[in-house]
Amino acid sequence: QQPVQSPQAVILREGEDAVINCSSSKALYSVHWYRQKHGEAPVFLMILLKGGEQKGHDKISASFNEKKQQSSLYLTASQLSYSGTYFCGTDPNTGNQFYFGTGTSLTVIP
Amino acid sequence: KAGVTQTPRYLIKTRGQQVTLSCSPISGHRSVSWYQQTPGQGLQFLFEYFSETQRNKGNFPGRFSGRQFSNSRSEMNVSTLELGDSALYLCASSLDTGNGNTIYFGEGSWLTVV
Repeated sequence: QQPVQSPQAVILREGEDAVINCSSSKALYSVHWYRQKHGEAPVFLMILLKGGEQKGHDKISASFNEKKQQSSLYLTASQLSYSGTYFCGTDPNTGNQFYFGTGTSLTVIP
Repeated sequence: KAGVTQTPRYLIKTRGQQVTLSCSPISGHRSVSWYQQTPGQGLQFLFEYFSETQRNKGNFPGRFSGRQFSNSRSEMNVSTLELGDSALYLCASSLDTGNGNTIYFGEGSWLTVV
């Protein structure tokens, strides 16, 4: 039930945009996005709920296609601080049992 | 407001030994879940506790166990350690409002089995 993320890695220059995709084979109730910097805990970015509700970061946006069981995270005008590994976590049954993707490594260079 | 606290942060154990990791959730959070993170497998769900009861369990052998106390603090135990158990173990807590619960991670316990 582990979701699949793409791309696996991306390198951006400051100011460029990026899209990270997350796809699940199971019906989803919600999708969560986290960013983890090396040696640190994953930090919550965004949650997308079935039905369209979103809660999260004001400089990062995301979409959730319930029918296709897919979510995309949009990073615009990237900053150096955006570097890290991004994980999507999917919750198939409204509980707290999340399945996380293998991550997308994002590096922003000057 | 204090975050999720995990102890110890780093530990080295020998194959065959057992280990206990501790997690104190954010004040007011009643749900605590545990994850194993390795470079090859990513974040893998171990189990989740709510009000001292295990509600969900991932696909890990019985050597991995946990419990939650009345104050919501949680411990996880790994017995008969194997080299493959070397990983970062992350604890996460949640308010569990029943509608898109956000989970907040601790900084993790780095376990090395030699």
